[in-house]
Amino acid sequence: QLQLRESGPGVVKASQTLSLTCTVSGGSVSSGGYFWSWIRQHPGKGLEWLGYIYYTETAYYNPSLKSRVTISLDTSRNQFSLRLTSVTAADTAVYYCASGFPGVEYFQDWGQGTLVTVSS
Amino acid sequence: QSALTQPASVSGSPGQSITISCTGSSSDIGSYNLVSWYQRHPGKAPKLILYGDTQRPSGVSRRFSGSKSAYTASLTISGLQAEDEAEYYCCSYAGSATVVFGGGTKLTVL
Repeated sequence: QLQLRESGPGVVKASQTLSLTCTVSGGSVSSGGYFWSWIRQHPGKGLEWLGYIYYTETAYYNPSLKSRVTISLDTSRNQFSLRLTSVTAADTAVYYCASGFPGVEYFQDWGQGTLVTVSS
Repeated sequence: QSALTQPASVSGSPGQSITISCTGSSSDIGSYNLVSWYQRHPGKAPKLILYGDTQRPSGVSRRFSGSKSAYTASLTISGLQAEDEAEYYCCSYAGSATVVFGGGTKLTVL
């Protein structure tokens, strides 16, 4: 079982870029067989998948956010990251990182989540 | 890509069974045997309880079961316990390397 932990600023100003990092332990982000994902939950709402990246560094994104989202791997630090540009109040949410398995498409391990508030 | 549809809330008494539905479309639930379900207690991370429509991960109680018909997947919890009170989310592969979640269902154990 993997352990994942999100880190990053809790407040981001509107129009700026939200950047979060997920540190993985118990496994390697460069090993095959996993994808690494970001998922968020707006206050009082359901979960929203943002995207995932394979160990090959190929990334796939939610079409509704594709133009603003980038997910990347840092194999030297065993981390993966989220960048969300041009944020607005609508991007205020709890952001989770999670790992899963391509082909079966489920999320096995999750971080605890981190609240990001977009301020004006 | 539209969110899957779940009832906002369901409730049941201890020992009873409840079912939570998750309705999608021909683009997601109807095309793939890749529905997963997650349980989330307040302040905690979601926990995988079912995958592949009906499969239980190791360590998940047999009281949790899944089924699917056409565009609707269902989660059934039998022998309700107080600890089952939580939010439940369905998720489906939606093709082209995308995934879609449901809006979540709050389960209250009376």
